[in-house]
Amino acid sequence: GEDVEQSLFLSVREGDSSVINCTYTDSSSTYLYWYKQEPGAGLQLLTYIFSNMDMKQDQRLTVLLNKKDKHLSLRIADTQTGDSAIYFCAERNSGNTPLVFGKGTRLSVIA
Amino acid sequence: DVKVTQSSRYLVKRTGEKVFLECVQDMDQKNMFWYRQDPGLGLRLIYFSYDVKMKEKGDIPEGYSVSREKKERFSLILESASTNQTSMYLCASIDRAKGQYFGPGTRLTVT
Repeated sequence: GEDVEQSLFLSVREGDSSVINCTYTDSSSTYLYWYKQEPGAGLQLLTYIFSNMDMKQDQRLTVLLNKKDKHLSLRIADTQTGDSAIYFCAERNSGNTPLVFGKGTRLSVIA
Repeated sequence: DVKVTQSSRYLVKRTGEKVFLECVQDMDQKNMFWYRQDPGLGLRLIYFSYDVKMKEKGDIPEGYSVSREKKERFSLILESASTNQTSMYLCASIDRAKGQYFGPGTRLTVT
């Protein structure tokens, strides 16, 4: 079945760039997403990318998609303590089917 | 943007009680989803619904049922709560392009 993998933990220093990586198995994925979850809260949609794109930038966030390798990454520039959260990668192939989520990467930002 | 609300942020119930978790979305979306989130396991899909009175089992439907009598409301029911159902429950609705929007979550403790 479909699967989304991401590392569980990442620790960076404040001001550095963070790169969170994700791999997926479904070659028919149409949309790929990054969600952020702060402690005690629900998931917040951060950004998404269509499968026919290879890069999307939104302020401090850069999403890179390598469709051949089925690899998605989220780069956060100038990481701040407020970026500390769990980041989920997700993919969907079409229509209104449920998203398939990774287990989440816990980003810790050290001051 | 779709807004998703959940009736309670925190609930404490006793083993064997019947528990209702309510979810409401305000943007006339057909598709709604219930997940549970547990440490180390990520998000697991319990049930979803494509329309009023329609439901589909997700990955872990055992011990749960759902009700979708109105388009805006999707209820998750624990017929007889057990301690292994202690978890964070997240409801979501979907925008075809932008992915799923999540409610703030209900943290349920079954004692």
